[in-house]
Amino acid sequence: DAGVIQSPRHEVTEMGQEVTLRCKPISGHNSLFWYRQTMMRGLELLIYFNNNVPIDDSGMPEDRFSAKMPNASFSTLKIQPSEPRDSAVYFCASSLSSGGPMNTEAFFGQGTRLTVV
Amino acid sequence: KQEVTQIPAALSVPEGENLVLNCSFTDSAIYNLQWFRQDPGKGLTSLLLIQSSQREQTSGRLNASLDKSSGRSTLYIAASQPGDSATYLCAVPGGSYIPTFGRGTSLIVHP
Repeated sequence: DAGVIQSPRHEVTEMGQEVTLRCKPISGHNSLFWYRQTMMRGLELLIYFNNNVPIDDSGMPEDRFSAKMPNASFSTLKIQPSEPRDSAVYFCASSLSSGGPMNTEAFFGQGTRLTVV
Repeated sequence: KQEVTQIPAALSVPEGENLVLNCSFTDSAIYNLQWFRQDPGKGLTSLLLIQSSQREQTSGRLNASLDKSSGRSTLYIAASQPGDSATYLCAVPGGSYIPTFGRGTSLIVHP
């Protein structure tokens, strides 16, 4: 298996532009997680899907952020409009379990490094 | 609010040393704890998951212990190797099942 695949690996955009990050989870996994990692705040869970349904989005920082999972093999995280403080590495992870992000071994993608200028 | 602290923040050791990485958390009402490894430019890799009913877990040269009452966990790495160089993070449930991560210990093992 190719693992969790994220695209793009790097994204540089201007403030105010829309940014879409993409994730393909491991085939057969039924849970998907989006994380953000910054120097200031460390690693934070943004949103968690189970069987394509958002279970908890309490970590989504603002209404500018939205995430979708239209099917079991694809998810997007969208920021509109983007701001410089959104600059971070965004990770997608998937797992077999429905027990939440702390009850299972999750497999992480390599991340998307977003820079908003 | 759950807070997780990892000490030391950075560590540089010669190959072959036995290491102890520390993780402390403020809310001891946790049901498990995970240790992860992060290589530069990569995502996290789960190393060990300890349930609250367990006191320790072992995987190869890695051994993690959990003391809920004192709010502490340690990751012991035996006979360290250059390939162990990475950042090690611990995570505990914060609110509900949402993980709270420590900032990590950056480990360099030099030949």
